[in-house]
Amino acid sequence: AQSVAQPEDQVNVAEGNPLTVKCTYSVSGNPYLFWYVQYPNRGLQFLLKYITGDNLVKGSYGFEAEFNKSQTSFHLKKPSALVSDSALYFCAVRGRGTALIFGKGTTLSVSS
Amino acid sequence: GAVVSQHPSWVICKSGTSVKIECRSLDFQATTMFWYRQFPKQSLMLMATSNEGSKATYEQGVEKDKFLINHASLTLSTLTVTSAHPEDSSFYICSARTGTGVNTGELFFGEGSRLTVL
Repeated sequence: AQSVAQPEDQVNVAEGNPLTVKCTYSVSGNPYLFWYVQYPNRGLQFLLKYITGDNLVKGSYGFEAEFNKSQTSFHLKKPSALVSDSALYFCAVRGRGTALIFGKGTTLSVSS
Repeated sequence: GAVVSQHPSWVICKSGTSVKIECRSLDFQATTMFWYRQFPKQSLMLMATSNEGSKATYEQGVEKDKFLINHASLTLSTLTVTSAHPEDSSFYICSARTGTGVNTGELFFGEGSRLTVL
């Protein structure tokens, strides 16, 4: 079965510093991987996806993610964090059919 | 990107009543919609997959008679929580998919509906 794991419940960074939110995956076949962000009491906003092609995927709001097949990872990164980046981040993999299977989420807290 | 609208955003109801939540794709036709449930500070759990004109496919452990899903048109899916109880209180999020191929199409999410059952 397809699954993703987000090993960190919370990530704390200072504004201006680089951030990384970790995600590892377990799939049979080719992985279709996604990152979404959720603000309080809101739905999910799409950040980026990996289907095929370049291992470094660039997405919205300056985020990028690196697909690493040997390490089965798809970590989300940003060179310089903003306070407004503070939110809940979900890694997801396309599961059976076309639904997304989500990780447990990582809360990112950026301090000024 | 495409817009998915959910209504209502917030709903409070008494125990034993039924609540309907609507999910609409505003600027595209969605052959498939998904309903998720999210508990506080937890992940989204897929409840069911809804295909236009056919019965929904429920995930294991989700009571189909409790959570009625109707996908009557290409732009509307509804989730009805029947005889709601406090344990049904949760954040319900729908998503809609564009395209028809397995490897194509994007998923767009509604803003969610928070249900509180007293």
